[in-house]
Amino acid sequence: EVHLVQSGAEVKKPGESLKISCKGSGNISTSYWIGWVRQMPGKGLEWMGIIYPADSDTRYSPSFQGQVTISADKSINTAYLQWSSLKASDTAIYYCARWTGGMDVWGKGTTVTVSS
Amino acid sequence: EIVMTQSPVTLSVSPGERATLSCRASQSVSSNLAWYQQQPGQAPRLLIYGASTRATGVPARFSGSGSGTEFTLTISSLQSEDFAVYYCQQYNNWPQYTFGQGAKLEIK
Repeated sequence: EVHLVQSGAEVKKPGESLKISCKGSGNISTSYWIGWVRQMPGKGLEWMGIIYPADSDTRYSPSFQGQVTISADKSINTAYLQWSSLKASDTAIYYCARWTGGMDVWGKGTTVTVSS
Repeated sequence: EIVMTQSPVTLSVSPGERATLSCRASQSVSSNLAWYQQQPGQAPRLLIYGASTRATGVPARFSGSGSGTEFTLTISSLQSEDFAVYYCQQYNNWPQYTFGQGAKLEIK
């Protein structure tokens, strides 16, 4: 069975950096795109961007371009989402999911809380 | 950016009845439309892709229809586990795959 395992919850201060991860396990391969989705508290889903771990081809939603960096390490089947300087408005749950013409396998989400 | 608008925002239906949720795109997305279900405290779950194809393991009471700019998700004979928030997502405009704002299906 295919799983995406996301890193644990984070509590950070404004201005700090952060990198969260999404590791594929089971029969998942690097031959799929992995997307990232934000869900702010009590709000809906927002598409952030997508990466192809096999060659690290990455595309961003205009809303998130320059705000986050998506990367991957194909050798360990892991995708990453990182911030260089967090803001309070980055407080949210971040999901990764496999894209196959729909997001068919989801991680459980990483809760990021940014507060002074 | 393609804007996806779902209606109604909240739908109250009794168990056993039929529910119909709508999703409208600001421009044509062909049949490149997916539907997701999200239960409280859980990650979303893919229900429908290609506007009308059920994902693996999705019960037959879920059906999707539409193309272009107008789409519908129908749930026949609602079960208790179907009360949740539903999202549509277009994937015609690579790589900006926008979601609708969500629609809450609640018990009447």
